Amino acid sequence: AQKITQTQPGMFVQEKEAVTLDCTYDTSDQSYGLFWYKQPSSGEMIFLIYQGSYDEQNATEGRYSLNFQKARKSANLVISASQLGDSAMYFCAMREGPGGTSYGKLTFGQGTILTVHP
Amino acid sequence: DGGITQSPKYLFRKEGQNVTLSCEQNLNHDAMYWYRQDPGQGLRLIYYSQIVNDFQKGDIAEGYSVSREKKESFPLTVTSAQKNPTAFYLCASSLRGLAGDEQYFGPGTRLTVT
Repeated sequence: AQKITQTQPGMFVQEKEAVTLDCTYDTSDQSYGLFWYKQPSSGEMIFLIYQGSYDEQNATEGRYSLNFQKARKSANLVISASQLGDSAMYFCAMREGPGGTSYGKLTFGQGTILTVHP
Repeated sequence: DGGITQSPKYLFRKEGQNVTLSCEQNLNHDAMYWYRQDPGQGLRLIYYSQIVNDFQKGDIAEGYSVSREKKESFPLTVTSAQKNPTAFYLCASSLRGLAGDEQYFGPGTRLTVT
């Protein structure tokens, strides 16, 4: 079964607008971490934001925020005030915590290609 | 500067040859990982290691081997048994391998086998 699902293969947004990239996950663990990474065309993976399963507040990092809805098992990334440099592939990932059979492993979704138009 | 280095950036090999990809980190991280990425796809875990002299298979370990003799180094060998070795390979490390630890990635190696 897919552990991380990103249902949007591609998204388009106008410069300076906000955009939401969807991510749903599946785990039976109580302790887990959710991550978003950005991958430009150069191939490097750039860490954007992290949300722990026990964190009560939604994570924010500058223009990035994570809309964490635990009961719905969703962890959507919101990028505010999009910039041309935000055009890239975005990956949602999950690491299951101690006690899980996949402790220490990061599972990635298929990714969403974001294109920012001027 | 602290970080992860992977060399070379591009690697070309003939089919049937083993090839070893280098990954070095100076972040003093305990955990290291190897991922494979195919065009338009997400990353898939090949092997990971949480301490020196210990490593576990990931989701697609067949045709690959690793060693972890030093904390700083986690080389990946792509053997001739790997059916489709052409891919982008990313190495990563994290402080302890716990659920909240961010993984830092190297710049990747693009392997082409013909």
